[in-house]
Amino acid sequence: EVQLVESGGGLVQPGRSMKLSCAASGFTFSYYHMAWVRQAPTKGLEWVASISIGGDDTYYRDSVKGRFTISRDNAKSTLYLQMDSLRSEDTATYYCASRPPTMGITFGWFTYWGQGTLVTVSS
Amino acid sequence: DTVLTQSPALAVSPGERVSISCRASEGVTSYMHWYQQNPGQQPRLLIYKTSNLASGVPARFSGSGSGTDFTLTIDPVEADDTATYFCQQSWNDPNTFGAGTKLELK
Repeated sequence: EVQLVESGGGLVQPGRSMKLSCAASGFTFSYYHMAWVRQAPTKGLEWVASISIGGDDTYYRDSVKGRFTISRDNAKSTLYLQMDSLRSEDTATYYCASRPPTMGITFGWFTYWGQGTLVTVSS
Repeated sequence: DTVLTQSPALAVSPGERVSISCRASEGVTSYMHWYQQNPGQQPRLLIYKTSNLASGVPARFSGSGSGTDFTLTIDPVEADDTATYFCQQSWNDPNTFGAGTKLELK
């Protein structure tokens, strides 16, 4: 069974940092591009960042560029999102998701999703 | 950014056919995908690249369209199809999602 399990969320003050993790199992993690997608409370979905199979290619939405860093450890089947200089508008449930390996990291759909971890940015 | 416009809500009786639309502000070729989300749960992929059924998804779900206008059809609708349905495009940068259509059963 495919599982993506996020962790690391919680309450954080504006301007501080937080690192999310996503542990994968039940599929060959190192064969898939990966991404983070977020959903603000009672709002829609928003793509945040993507990373290639080998980790050498990354892509971010403009609003997080320079503040967030996506990375992966294929040996540990784990995806990460380092979030710095957090703002109130970053408050959301963050999902990790897999993307198909057969195309560029921005062209695919989101096949498998984790259950999400809630990040609340507030003083 | 490419804006995807969906109707906010629809109500349908079990056994009927329902079509959920998604209109893009610019062309996305065939790179439109659909997801189902129940309250408190993660999204689930239903349809990828306009009309391809994701693994494990019942054949009651189908997708169609091209360019800027796309449709997710459920036929027949069942009670546990009550959920919010999102479209997503991955042709233009950045990837964007629609605001979702909440499907309710009468």
